[in-house]
Amino acid sequence: DAGVIQSPRHEVTEMGQEVTLRCKPISGHDYLFWYRQTMMRGLELLIYFNNNVPIDDSGMPEDRFSAKMPNASFSTLKIQPSEPRDSAVYFCASSLRGDDGYTFGSGTRLTVV
Amino acid sequence: AQKVTQAQTEISVVEKEDVTLDCVYETRDTTYYLFWYKQPPSGELVFLIRRNSFDEQNEISGRYSWNFQKSTSSFNFTITASQVVDSAVYFCALSERNTGNQFYFGTGTSLTVIP
Repeated sequence: DAGVIQSPRHEVTEMGQEVTLRCKPISGHDYLFWYRQTMMRGLELLIYFNNNVPIDDSGMPEDRFSAKMPNASFSTLKIQPSEPRDSAVYFCASSLRGDDGYTFGSGTRLTVV
Repeated sequence: AQKVTQAQTEISVVEKEDVTLDCVYETRDTTYYLFWYKQPPSGELVFLIRRNSFDEQNEISGRYSWNFQKSTSSFNFTITASQVVDSAVYFCALSERNTGNQFYFGTGTSLTVIP
């Protein structure tokens, strides 16, 4: 199994631009999570899906952030418009049952200038 | 309130020393799970262990061992004979059955093993 695959690994964009982060979970995993990691706030859960349905999006910072999971093998996290304070590492993780431990992707390091 | 507390922000040890990383958690659920993850300098998050609330047996895996004590709400992680490759940030996490499947991560302990 290739694990959780995220793209791109690095993204540098200008303030105001739209950014789309992508994630392919492990096949057969019913749960998908998006996390953001910063030095100031550590690991924060943004949103998670169960069977492609968003369950808890209370961690999404504001309306500029949106996430979708159109099918079991693909999810996107979109920021529009991006701001410098969005600079962070964004992790996607998937899990078979949700409480059995996550497998994380390698992360996307986003820099908004 | 912080559900998972890792009081040690940074630890430095000399190679071959033993080191214990502390983790204290807070929950009212009777069913919950505890985890440790490793984040090496390359940045990925690597799953190390999962323990459920009904299993207080300590676990050993090579140089790694975990001590789970419900009486003190602690799930400590010990590395024996540390090596430079153990240098990383280690995160403890809690998942509660009654709050869905969200993980609560601690703030992490940065371990540096000096050769």
